[in-house]
Amino acid sequence: SQKIEQNSEALNIQEGKTATLTCNYTNYSPAYLQWYRQDPGRGPVFLLLIRENEKEKRKERLKVTFDTTLKQSLFHITASQPADSATYLCALDRETGNTPLVFGKGTRLSVIA
Amino acid sequence: KAGVTQTPRYLIKTRGQQVTLSCSPISGHRSVSWYQQTPGQGLQFLFEYFSETQRNKGNFPGRFSGRQFSNSRSEMNVSTLELGDSALYLCASSLRWGSTEAFFGQGTRLTVV
Repeated sequence: SQKIEQNSEALNIQEGKTATLTCNYTNYSPAYLQWYRQDPGRGPVFLLLIRENEKEKRKERLKVTFDTTLKQSLFHITASQPADSATYLCALDRETGNTPLVFGKGTRLSVIA
Repeated sequence: KAGVTQTPRYLIKTRGQQVTLSCSPISGHRSVSWYQQTPGQGLQFLFEYFSETQRNKGNFPGRFSGRQFSNSRSEMNVSTLELGDSALYLCASSLRWGSTEAFFGQGTRLTVV
């Protein structure tokens, strides 16, 4: 069956370091992969989208990679700040396309000052 | 433009009761999806409505149902509430799932006692 795994439930890092979060999937061939940020008690907020034919995407301090051979996406936050503390979710479209996203369970990131 | 609006924000119900949650999508978005989020299971897809028709459905019992109106507003209903239905219920809308971002509402926090 199709599965999405985000490598850690929680990740603690020092302010100023680069945070790297992993999203792995099996039995999928998604055309798009998205990353969201979710703060406690709120809905997820879109951060980045990467297409299957793109290796890397950047937005300010954020970088996403997408390796369809490894079936993996890495999400990096450089020069992390305490305000980056949140849960980060990866999401994939289903293979049939234009169907609602399937989400991983998320990684809770804590940036310590 | 206005975001996705969910009402109510908080709800406390007793086991056995039923509940109706409401979602108004982004203007121009005809597709609405509902997700249930719990600490253990993460974001789980409930169902999707497009142009008043249910287009996709997740693995939830028949107690969970929904509908969409001609103005794209959607409601979901849970009958015969169980303690395990306590969760954050999120509604999302998108122009095209997968290839464009999904917009989430703030969610409705349902507590069943």
